[in-house]
Amino acid sequence: SQTIHQWPATLVQPVGSPLSLECTVEGTSNPNLYWYRQAAGRGLQLLFYSVGIGQISSEVPQNLSASRPQDRQFILSSKKLLLSDSGFYLCAWSPGGVSGANVLTFGAGSRLTVL
Amino acid sequence: AQSVTQLGSHVSVSEGALVLLRCNYSSSVPPYLFWYVQYPNQGLQLLLKYTSAATLVKGINGFEAEFKKSETSFHLTKPSAHMSDAAEYFCAVSAPYAGGTSYGKLTFGQGTILTVHP
Repeated sequence: SQTIHQWPATLVQPVGSPLSLECTVEGTSNPNLYWYRQAAGRGLQLLFYSVGIGQISSEVPQNLSASRPQDRQFILSSKKLLLSDSGFYLCAWSPGGVSGANVLTFGAGSRLTVL
Repeated sequence: AQSVTQLGSHVSVSEGALVLLRCNYSSSVPPYLFWYVQYPNQGLQLLLKYTSAATLVKGINGFEAEFKKSETSFHLTKPSAHMSDAAEYFCAVSAPYAGGTSYGKLTFGQGTILTVHP
């Protein structure tokens, strides 16, 4: 069966510090990978998605970047965090290819607080 | 472009009462529709999905939703609420794969927090 891991679960960082959140998927190959951010009372916002190694699409301009160095690894980064980067970050995957592009399975999330 | 509107950011019901969470969508193509549930400080869990088969979709934990094209709605219901149903619920829409970069990305509503009273 497939599993998705996200870490760290909780992170408190000062403004201006770097960020690295990591997500890995097990039990599948060539998944589509996604990073969402959930801010209080604002639903879920898609930040990045990837359909393959090194292929990253950004949905909104922002202070964050994403990378996919391996097939089942997705990393969310920032060089200098802003207060507005605080939120709950969720990684998700869906089966690759045309038939399974819709059902997302989410990780447990990473809560980032920028002070 | 697609969008989802969830009517009511907070819904409160008594244990044993009917649960009705409302979702209306906008889509230029026949949509795929989803309901997810999120418990505090956890990720999202899929409750049910509509992918152009039967319009009445049954999901986990006794929930079901009906796709009504004429009303552009996909409301979530459960006949009898349990205390364990208290959570935040998200409606989401995506488009079937249509080539190019259309990868079925989900667009979520703002969420509805369900409170269940004893």
